Amino acid sequence: RKEVEQDPGPFNVPEGATVAFNCTYSNSASQSFFWYRQDCRKEPKLLMSVYSSGNEDGRFTAQLNRASQYISLLIRDSKLSDSATYLCVVNSRGSYIPTFGRGTSLIVHP
Amino acid sequence: GAVVSQHPSRVICKSGTSVKIECRSLDFQATTMFWYRQFPKQSLMLMATSNEGSKATYEQGVEKDKFLINHASLTLSTLTVTSAHPEDSSFYICSALAGGPEQFFGPGTRLTVL
Repeated sequence: RKEVEQDPGPFNVPEGATVAFNCTYSNSASQSFFWYRQDCRKEPKLLMSVYSSGNEDGRFTAQLNRASQYISLLIRDSKLSDSATYLCVVNSRGSYIPTFGRGTSLIVHP
Repeated sequence: GAVVSQHPSRVICKSGTSVKIECRSLDFQATTMFWYRQFPKQSLMLMATSNEGSKATYEQGVEKDKFLINHASLTLSTLTVTSAHPEDSSFYICSALAGGPEQFFGPGTRLTVL
């Protein structure tokens, strides 16, 4: 089993839709969780950190479920500009060593 | 804040040559930087963890003699791809920690080896 798993998608949704991604991790001792966004041929950019209490930033909501070992990202009112690959990152092997999921591709169409 | 730069952004070289890529933290000091490689349509693969003033820690399967990492200051880490071959063509990205667990990425270097 991979340390961090994501459904690669693509998720193809119309503008205004709500879409959710999940990411599962295998190491129960994982401490830090993040969602990054990566546009084609660009570097990843931090979208949000994921806290035990959940985290909301505008249209984006991230949740952590430690019991089931997954994190989620919910995007409301999707925009065309949300089209990107969303990377789940888990610091599993220490306080700062990151493990990336392979990413989930989102395509928002008019 | 937390801006990371990389240079060059793109490099094309002949097989057998060495290529140096620089990663700089512009507005903060980074004791830890990471080097990644990403092939088309694949996920980022961590190559090594670079710690200022000490030897880099390489991930399994990454040849330390081929990918030389130097982290001589708190704002600069370099990756040198020695004797590059076409299979080394990839997108190389660095990231840095700015005091917390979040990583801040450089814009990446696209290496093409002919």
